[in-house]
Amino acid sequence: DIQMTQSPSLLSASVGDRVTINCKASQNINKYLNWYQQKLGEAPKLLIYNTNNLQTGIPSRFSGSGSGTDYTLTISSLQPEDFGTYFCFQHNSWPTFGAGTKLELK
Amino acid sequence: QVQLKESGPGLVQPSETLSLTCTVSGFSLTSNSVHWVRQPPGKGLEWMGIIRSGGSTDYNSALKSRLSISRDTSKSQVFLKMNSLQTEDTAIYYCTRWTTTEGIDYWGQGVMVTVSS
Repeated sequence: DIQMTQSPSLLSASVGDRVTINCKASQNINKYLNWYQQKLGEAPKLLIYNTNNLQTGIPSRFSGSGSGTDYTLTISSLQPEDFGTYFCFQHNSWPTFGAGTKLELK
Repeated sequence: QVQLKESGPGLVQPSETLSLTCTVSGFSLTSNSVHWVRQPPGKGLEWMGIIRSGGSTDYNSALKSRLSISRDTSKSQVFLKMNSLQTEDTAIYYCTRWTTTEGIDYWGQGVMVTVSS
C-alpha cells in the first residue's frame, strides 16, 4: 500500500495568513492526489482533485501543486470559515489517506 | 443533488456482524462506484472497499476475510457487512461516491458504530 505522510498535524494561523499543508507519498502517485476539508460533525468536502483542479464551488484562494511523491495544498488568505481539518487522499492505486492537518485559529 | 446517507446500528456486540446501508440519490449506482471508508476515534481514515458500477467488488486486504459489499440498484442502496467485530472496529463509517475524474467526490455524513458489550 502507498503510505501518505501529511504535515504538519497541527497548524495555528490567523485570518489573512497564507498556509501550506504537505503530503508525501511513499511512491509516485502520478498526480492522483485530492484534498478534502472536514469540519466537526460534517461530511468531508472535496476541495482539489488530481493535484491542482479546483472542485466546482470552491474559492480560488485554495490551490494545489505537486508531482511525483510531493504535494501541497495552499490557502492564499485564510478566512474564518477555513478552520477545520484537511486531509489528502491518493487514488493512483488502492486508495489511502493522509493522517490529517488540524487548522486552528492562532 | 448528489447525496449519500449511511444507516445502521450505533452499537454492536463484540464478535457479531455489522450491517450498514448507504442510500444514495442524485446519481445511479450503475454509473458510479461507491466506496466505504472508516475513521476510528482520533485516528486517520481507512479505505475499506469498493463496489463498482458494474457490480464487481474489491476490499482492503486487511479486512477482506471479514468484509462484504453488495447493492440493490433498484433501491439505490449499497450494503456493507463485516463479521467478527472487535473493539478496534469502533469508528465512523462513511460511504462515498467515486468518479473516474475526481476520485471520491461526495461523502455521506457518516454513521458512528461502537463495538462494545
